[in-house]
Amino acid sequence: DVKVTQSSRYLVKRTGEKVFLECVQDMDHENMFWYRQDPGLGLRLIYFSYDVKMKEKGDIPEGYSVSREKKERFSLILESASTNQTSMYLCASSFRTGYEYYEQYFGPGTRLTVT
Amino acid sequence: QKEVEQDPGPLSVPEGAIVSLNCTYSNSAFQYFMWYRQYSRKGPELLMYTYSSGNKEDGRFTAQVDKSSKYISLFIRDSQPSDSATYLCAMIIDTGRRALTFGSGTRLQVQP
Repeated sequence: DVKVTQSSRYLVKRTGEKVFLECVQDMDHENMFWYRQDPGLGLRLIYFSYDVKMKEKGDIPEGYSVSREKKERFSLILESASTNQTSMYLCASSFRTGYEYYEQYFGPGTRLTVT
Repeated sequence: QKEVEQDPGPLSVPEGAIVSLNCTYSNSAFQYFMWYRQYSRKGPELLMYTYSSGNKEDGRFTAQVDKSSKYISLFIRDSQPSDSATYLCAMIIDTGRRALTFGSGTRLQVQP
């Protein structure tokens, strides 16, 4: 069974703090993704990575950065958390080639509250 | 205008009903279409995918794609309380950008 794990289910941080969200997958997937999910807006892509040390901006990268030093691990960093970054954050992974790349496996999500 | 539009619901139906969930999209370059199911407090999981226009069936679920109308549907037959979840449509352009574009999701409640 593919497993995508996220470091925290719930997180409360203060405005201005630096926040790290960690994601680990155990299926040797090349692609990894970070989304945020907000009511009425669905899932919006923040960043994705198609290989170690490679990254691409998604639709809403402002205020976020990412790090992928190892194939199985993809970190999302909020440099200076703001209240409008309060959201559910979902990590996903998939294969890069073939018809399987659209089958993304998701972690359980981290609900981040910034106060 | 969003690239993918999906009625957020909630949609409440009695057990055994046929459910129809729909998405419309504006970008004719989308080639692959998926439905994800998301239970409360969980991440989404892939339910069905399809490439071509037409129907694809898997048990009680049928995915339908009409590329000429830019419209996709998911039908659930004999709906069960365990089908209660949020259903998200997703689609992708096969140009090397390995990222999906999601609809906002429709919340479905099947009443026993």
